[in-house]
Amino acid sequence: QVQLQESGPGLVKPSETLSLTCTVSGGSVSSGDYYWSWIRQPPGKGLEWIGYLYSPTSTNNNNPSLKSRVTISADTSKNQFSLRLSSVTAADTAVYYCARYYYDSIGYSMIDQWGQGTMVTVSS
Amino acid sequence: SSELTQDPAVSVALGQTVRITCQGDSLRAFYASWYQQKPGQAPVLVTYGKNNRPSGIPDRFSGFTSGSAASLTITGAQAEDEADYYCTSRDGIENHEVFGGGTKLTVL
Repeated sequence: QVQLQESGPGLVKPSETLSLTCTVSGGSVSSGDYYWSWIRQPPGKGLEWIGYLYSPTSTNNNNPSLKSRVTISADTSKNQFSLRLSSVTAADTAVYYCARYYYDSIGYSMIDQWGQGTMVTVSS
Repeated sequence: SSELTQDPAVSVALGQTVRITCQGDSLRAFYASWYQQKPGQAPVLVTYGKNNRPSGIPDRFSGFTSGSAASLTITGAQAEDEADYYCTSRDGIENHEVFGGGTKLTVL
């Protein structure tokens, strides 16, 4: 059973860069079967897709609403993947989840494994 | 980009059947997946694809996608089913997953 665990600072100052790491156990970030993803949830609100990484080709696909602020990368030697979100504001305060994402050519897509989530507050 | 629309809140009497719906153009090309989220917890996948359930999900949960609409049906709702439910599907144009706004299910 794959498990994912987020880690990183719980408090980030406005205009700085939020950095989180997701450690994967029971599976490989190098796998070509899945896409490694970040999702967030502001307090009391719904889920928002941030982006995903396909590790074999280092291909990213990020939410256009976050524009160029998002970078998702992987360290296959540590079986980890990371999120960097630059120029943060209070609107980026949220629970951040790392997750495993799958989709295929016959119309299936799913987020089948989630980390427990980590709360990040943007405040001076 | 695509959007998925859900009713904000639905209620059901204990033991009765409830259907939670989701609408959006992306559903014409991709099946919906449904997630259950209880307070303070990460979402959990409950149905995906053509009415598939991950291991450990009770068979009272079923999913259906047709045209631009999808539904999650809980047959014989239990008190532990009280939660927020989110639908998702893939946006085939922008190549990412899109979320519905969530439905808060109350079991009376």
